[in-house]
Amino acid sequence: GQQLNQSPQSMFIQEGEDVSMNCTSSSIFNTWLWYKQDPGEGPVLLIALYKAGELTSNGRLTAQFGITRKDSFLNISASIPSDVGIYFCAGHKDRDDKIIFGKGTRLHILP
Amino acid sequence: DAGITQSPRYKITETGRQVTLMCHQTWSHSYMFWYRQDLGHGLRLIYYSAAADITDKGEVPDGYVVSRSKTENFPLTLESATRSQTSVYFCAARVTGNTIYFGEGSWLTVV
Repeated sequence: GQQLNQSPQSMFIQEGEDVSMNCTSSSIFNTWLWYKQDPGEGPVLLIALYKAGELTSNGRLTAQFGITRKDSFLNISASIPSDVGIYFCAGHKDRDDKIIFGKGTRLHILP
Repeated sequence: DAGITQSPRYKITETGRQVTLMCHQTWSHSYMFWYRQDLGHGLRLIYYSAAADITDKGEVPDGYVVSRSKTENFPLTLESATRSQTSVYFCAARVTGNTIYFGEGSWLTVV
């Protein structure tokens, strides 16, 4: 079964608030990926992380590759209405062809 | 843009019928993947392919068949559709490093 635990499952926040979500595993990964999915569309890559401890930003989004290589975090600062959607983490293990996904975090923004 | 096109985008079929979902890439990416997305389960890997004529099972392969006679095409066939196969299906390709890019999805309803 799936090996990535993503939390929280859903979030309700006010516009302007910061958002944090994370992904953990009992396995070690050599790549962590974060995707966003808008309704009716396929997931779109936000950030890719390749090295333990790496911190990478994409606009208001910042993601980190955990030091243990078993977790990753995504932060969104000053949320806006278009941030609504489902955020997925994904990981790739060394010597494995597959990329495994978490179950997603559904972000809702209250007016 | 990884140039991934899925067809059909929407399909309604009857239980027991054979259905084929097409996936075409405009580039020559080696790795291609099929995922299904269901509420509460996130994205689960059905099958993947490392190159033409090389395919392998993912997490949920039962009831599905794939082929890869040409690098640019990776069709997914449901040999005898069941209601439990009602889902959204995403084709993806590995573009650079360990990152993958998705098509827009195929919405399948089995009645």
